[in-house]
Amino acid sequence: SQQGEEDPQALSIQEGENATMNCSYKTSINNLQWYRQNSGRGLVHLILIRSNEREKHSGRLRVTLDTSKKSSSLLITASRAADTASYFCATGGIQGAQKLVFGQGTRLTINP
Amino acid sequence: DTEVTQTPKHLVMGMTNKKSLKCEQHMGHRAMYWYKQKAKKPPELMFVYSYEKLSINESVPSRFSPECPNSSLLNLHLHALQPEDSALYLCASSQDRGLRRATDTQYFGPGTRLTVL
Repeated sequence: SQQGEEDPQALSIQEGENATMNCSYKTSINNLQWYRQNSGRGLVHLILIRSNEREKHSGRLRVTLDTSKKSSSLLITASRAADTASYFCATGGIQGAQKLVFGQGTRLTINP
Repeated sequence: DTEVTQTPKHLVMGMTNKKSLKCEQHMGHRAMYWYKQKAKKPPELMFVYSYEKLSINESVPSRFSPECPNSSLLNLHLHALQPEDSALYLCASSQDRGLRRATDTQYFGPGTRLTVL
């Protein structure tokens, strides 16, 4: 299985601090995506990084990808209470292009 | 319009009932998905439709029956469910650029919270 594993499983920080979440996976990928899910709701796509990219930015988000270590990290800078959510990485494999495999997720809590 | 809608938001059904979940998108996407998500777990893929044809069935029990009437609509028919089927059911869509291409971004609906009594 190429299912990703994320750590930490839960993270609680103060508003304004930076939050870093990590994702590891097992097999070769075409891309890796990060999604956010507010409690009991649908997932929202945050950012996609391709296998030939090493770093990508979007607003307060910074994603890195290290294919040699089969790992990725998501950094949220200057966190806000509204960032409280679960964050999932999802890998798109080389075969079965329509199939995303989600990691276990990190539950992020931003304390005001 | 970048929205995927799902109805109903909540559904409570008995084990002998027949019900349907509905999903709609108007983004011109040709791939649509059903996921099942239990509490504090990641979404688990159930079915994928590509160009209105079932392309992936992740060994889902036959009490779940998907249907894609047209490129904008996706249904999930439910019959004789078990209490362990209680979960959040998520629909998603994406552009379908064909196999052996990079996996596209998926757009998710808000989900249907299903409770089976």
